[in-house]
Formats: sequence, structure tokens, C-alpha cells
Amino acid sequence: DTGVSQDPRHKITKRGQNVTFRCDPISEHNRLYWYRQTLGQGPEFLTYFQNEAQLEKSRLLSNRFSAERPKGSFSTLEIQRTEQGDSAMYLCASSLVPGQGFVWQYFGPGTRLTVT
Amino acid sequence: EDQVTQSPEALRLQEGESSSLNCSYTVSGLRGLFWYRQDPGKGPEFLFTLYSAGEEKEKERLKATLTKKESFLHITAPKPEDSATYLCAVQANEGGSEKLVFGKGTKLTVNP
Repeated sequence: DTGVSQDPRHKITKRGQNVTFRCDPISEHNRLYWYRQTLGQGPEFLTYFQNEAQLEKSRLLSNRFSAERPKGSFSTLEIQRTEQGDSAMYLCASSLVPGQGFVWQYFGPGTRLTVT
Repeated sequence: EDQVTQSPEALRLQEGESSSLNCSYTVSGLRGLFWYRQDPGKGPEFLFTLYSAGEEKEKERLKATLTKKESFLHITAPKPEDSATYLCAVQANEGGSEKLVFGKGTKLTVNP
């Protein structure tokens, strides 16, 4: 169990550019979640996958955002035509449902995006 | 709409000075309440899950309790390494949503 990994850890981009982030969940976990966290705030839910199916999307996930989990393993989050308001930490989490006992979401280290 | 409010926003303690952090919540049926610890520049680290009023969980110097409207995270004789932001989150039972709704967190600083 190597934990949830995210790549890159930091990304600086210019407004209007597209960016893509990758998340590798804990290997046996079937659920994968994306959250966004801005300075001084708690994480805000964006979307989640059960295996390869995207089952829930927040209204925060505008049409410039798209997430995929093509083979039910790693996931990518793409932001098109980035805006300065997209600057945030993008967090990925995973869980195994149903699991043994109670279930919680394991978070990765995050990708910090800065849009200049 | 589900909401989580944490207080205080920031707390400074001397090493060994016990205190409590508060998490008030409104949710359409509570599936679970979660406490996470977050260090600067890192992702949240799971601490506890509570499911029903009256439940308590302990881990080292931390103890979490739950009522129908709020949760407390009690820190006994804290050490400088307990300095972090503590996040509270709820998961609702209705609507089939899997999302966690987080509060803004309490930033704890423990001075030696």
C-alpha cells in the first residue's frame, strides 16, 4: 500500500492554457474522488468515480473541467482555458466500498495549480 | 444544504495545555462525521470517523466525540508536533451522495 499519488505536485500555467493532472489511487480501491481546496478553505467536492463510471459531479465542475477514469484505475482531471480563479490545490482521494468496517477517503498529497 | 462550521478558526496553545475544537453541522441525515489533520502543503490525513450521537473515538492525545448537532476534538497535553489544521467533514445519508462536506478547519499551533 503506497498511498494515493498525484502528478505533478506543482503546476504553473498561463491563463488560457489547458492543464491535466493525474491521480493514482490505492491499488485495490474502487472509488476515486476529486476535490479542490483554496487557501484558508476546506476541500470542496468536484466529482467521483466508481470504477470507470463517473457517478456524481458538483456544480463547481464547469464545462471547462473534465475528469476520466478510463480503466477504473488512475484518473485524470483536465482544465481547459484556465482562469486565475482556477488557482487552487487539487486533491484526489480513494476508498474501497464496501469495505471491512467503516470506510473513509484516503487523500493524496495534491497538485498545486497556479494560473498567472 | 449541508453545512459544517468549525471554531475557533485558529488556536494557539502552550505545550501541555489541553483544549477542544468544535465542529457544528447541519446535514440531511448523517451517514458519518470525519476528522482529518492537514499539514501545510499536504493532503488531509484521516483521524476518526463517528457515526452516531454519543460515540467517542481516541487516538494518542486526541479524542473525538459526537452529538446530534456537533462534534468536539479534545486535545490532551498537546505537543508541538500536533500543530496542524484540523478539518471536520460530514457525509449525508440522503440522496446517494458520496461527497464529504468540509468545514474551513481550525489551525492549531502548539508552542514549546
